[in-house]
Amino acid sequence: DAGITQSPRHKVTETGTPVTLRCHQTENHRYMYWYRQDPGHGLRLIHYSYGVKDTDKGEVSDGYSVSRSKTEDFLLTLESATSSQTSVYFCAISGRDARSYNEQFFGPGTRLTVL
Amino acid sequence: KNEVEQSPQNLTAQEGEFITINCSYSVGISALHWLQQHPGGGIVSLFMLSSGKKKHGRLIATINIQEKHSSLHITASHPRDSAVYICAVERGSQGNLIFGKGTKLSVKP
Repeated sequence: DAGITQSPRHKVTETGTPVTLRCHQTENHRYMYWYRQDPGHGLRLIHYSYGVKDTDKGEVSDGYSVSRSKTEDFLLTLESATSSQTSVYFCAISGRDARSYNEQFFGPGTRLTVL
Repeated sequence: KNEVEQSPQNLTAQEGEFITINCSYSVGISALHWLQQHPGGGIVSLFMLSSGKKKHGRLIATINIQEKHSSLHITASHPRDSAVYICAVERGSQGNLIFGKGTKLSVKP
C-alpha cells in the first residue's frame, strides 16, 4: 500500500458545474500525476506535478487545472464540467526511493459522471 | 499510429497455460513499465525495466531495446491472473508515461 487516496470515489454532477478531485499521499513522493481512463483509450496524462507549486500539462489538459500547495495533496479541477469529461480519473505518485524512482503507484480511482 | 501497441487485445487461456503478451513502441524510451489492472479497477505496477529480463514469481518481463519490443510472460496461469495488463513507456526524466490500451486476459479454470 503506497499510501495514496482519492476523494471522492464517485461523483455525479451536471454540465457546467465546477468539480474538484483530491489526491492525497502520505509517502512523501516528489511526483504526482492525474490520468483519465476511457474505453478504447489507454490511460492518458492530464497534468503532473514535480514539486510543490510546480506543475505542467500532459496530453489532455484542456478543460482541467491543477494545484499543489503542499507535498501531500494534488487537486484536479474541472472549472465547468462537460459530458466529455465523464471518465475514471486516477492519481499516481512516484519519486521517493532511489532504486525505483520512476515506479508509479496508483490511487483507487474516481468515477466521474457529468450529465 | 499509437506510440505504444499491445497484442493481443483480448486473450483467453486455460488454467496452467503459458501466456505471452507483447508490447511494441515507436519512440525512444528510458524505461518500460508493465502494470496490472484488476477487475475492480485498481492498478498496480508489476515491472519497470530498461534492459534484459526481470522475474517475479510466475511473471517474467523482457525487453529488446534495439527492436523496441517487450514481452510479459505468465507461467502456469491461474484464474486469479485474470486482469488487464498494460504496457507503458517512460520518456524524459520526470517519469511521464505513454500507455498502451491494455490486454484483457481471462484464465478459465
